[in-house]
Amino acid sequence: DAGVIQSPRHEVTEMGQEVTLRCKPISGHNSLFWYRQTMMRGLELLIYFNNNVPIDDSGMPEDRFSAKMPNASFSTLKIQPSEPRDSAVYFCASSLTGGPNQPQHFGDGTRLSIL
Amino acid sequence: TQLLEQSPQFLSIQEGENLTVYCNSSSVFSSLQWYRQEPGEGPVLLVTVVTGGEVKKLKRLTFQFGDARKDSSLHITAAQPGDTGLYLCAGAPVGNDMRFGAGTRLTVKP
Repeated sequence: DAGVIQSPRHEVTEMGQEVTLRCKPISGHNSLFWYRQTMMRGLELLIYFNNNVPIDDSGMPEDRFSAKMPNASFSTLKIQPSEPRDSAVYFCASSLTGGPNQPQHFGDGTRLSIL
Repeated sequence: TQLLEQSPQFLSIQEGENLTVYCNSSSVFSSLQWYRQEPGEGPVLLVTVVTGGEVKKLKRLTFQFGDARKDSSLHITAAQPGDTGLYLCAGAPVGNDMRFGAGTRLTVKP
């Protein structure tokens, strides 16, 4: 079974550039989550979608971050303009529903470095 | 302040030793989940505990949910190098979204 697929695996770019991270959730899963992981702050929930609709984006750091889910099989997280403090590993996860007891299935992450 | 406090933050032990890591909160959870994350990969779910006082076993791993559903522990018996990783607890306080603890980074030396 294909798990959650994220691309790219690594991204290195200069500050000020636009960065787009991509995620394909597990087929049939209705909820999708974007997380950011750093040593200092751990795993932080940025935003999640239920049935392609953003439900809670209170974790999005600021207006430079935006996320979309145009259909059930694809989501993007965009940073524009990027800054060095955005450097982190970004994870996408999906679950069957958004319920609190539902296990989340994570992709392998995108390691982002902003120079 | 983390909603879920995990301790210890780091743990380094020899193969064959036993260990316990903790996940504590002042909030009540409908359930708690434990994940393990290895370098370069995303977290992988180990177990979900739902009922206060519940104990679940997964081979050498024993998970317990506190009676008041505010805390949980993970005990590993006879640790092996393959148990090395970051152990994360996660839960959704009643009426809120799921949050992760900062994790316990375990190293088991051969």
